[in-house]
Amino acid sequence: ETGVTQTPRHLVMGMTNKKSLKCEQHLGHNAMYWYKQSAKKPLELMFVYNFKEQTENNSVPSRFSPECPNSSHLFLHLHTLQPEDSALYLCASSHRGGGNIQYFGAGTRLSVL
Amino acid sequence: RKEVEQDPGPFNVPEGATVAFNCTYSNSASQSFFWYRQDCRKEPKLLMSVYSSGNEDGRFTAQLNRASQYISLLIRDSKLSDSATYLCVVNWPLGGGFKTIFGAGTRLFVKA
Repeated sequence: ETGVTQTPRHLVMGMTNKKSLKCEQHLGHNAMYWYKQSAKKPLELMFVYNFKEQTENNSVPSRFSPECPNSSHLFLHLHTLQPEDSALYLCASSHRGGGNIQYFGAGTRLSVL
Repeated sequence: RKEVEQDPGPFNVPEGATVAFNCTYSNSASQSFFWYRQDCRKEPKLLMSVYSSGNEDGRFTAQLNRASQYISLLIRDSKLSDSATYLCVVNWPLGGGFKTIFGAGTRLFVKA
């Protein structure tokens, strides 16, 4: 248990559905991240939040909408996804300034039909 | 040149072998370095930090060469359970915080 909890662990959705991924960290960190990892591909950073403010958006399509209501919670709202969006979505958190070691949740494995 | 570059492998080694991975980085201002391990279909987990003086944790040794801008991971007496993907991570200062770059990973298979 790393202190970063993601729900749901698995999600199957149609292209017209709207769903949300949730991440919660219990480590007192002030930065949170969303990553995408497709099969046999490296991690792709999607979004970074520092103290609830979005500081990075790596050209992610608007069908992915992040929300960070506080330093402990991070959401990724999904709508009108495509089959190529099927992947493992990983949340991480870190304490910015302390070497920035990131701790990951177990991920949500998403399948878009 | 990629910001962080690793040999993707795979490295196939017998149990008991010694195996070494290298990772090169492009930004000379990089300040902190780590190795993560990722098992199949699992999340990455911190394996060890990499210090300038080099550091060892059991069978694992990490080293940093700032002049040549690379870090290395040495695994001695490989176990079956060492089979995983090893990710190199580099941080450099950016805008009051850090930018973190993960390498694409090196796959290791340890066979009986």
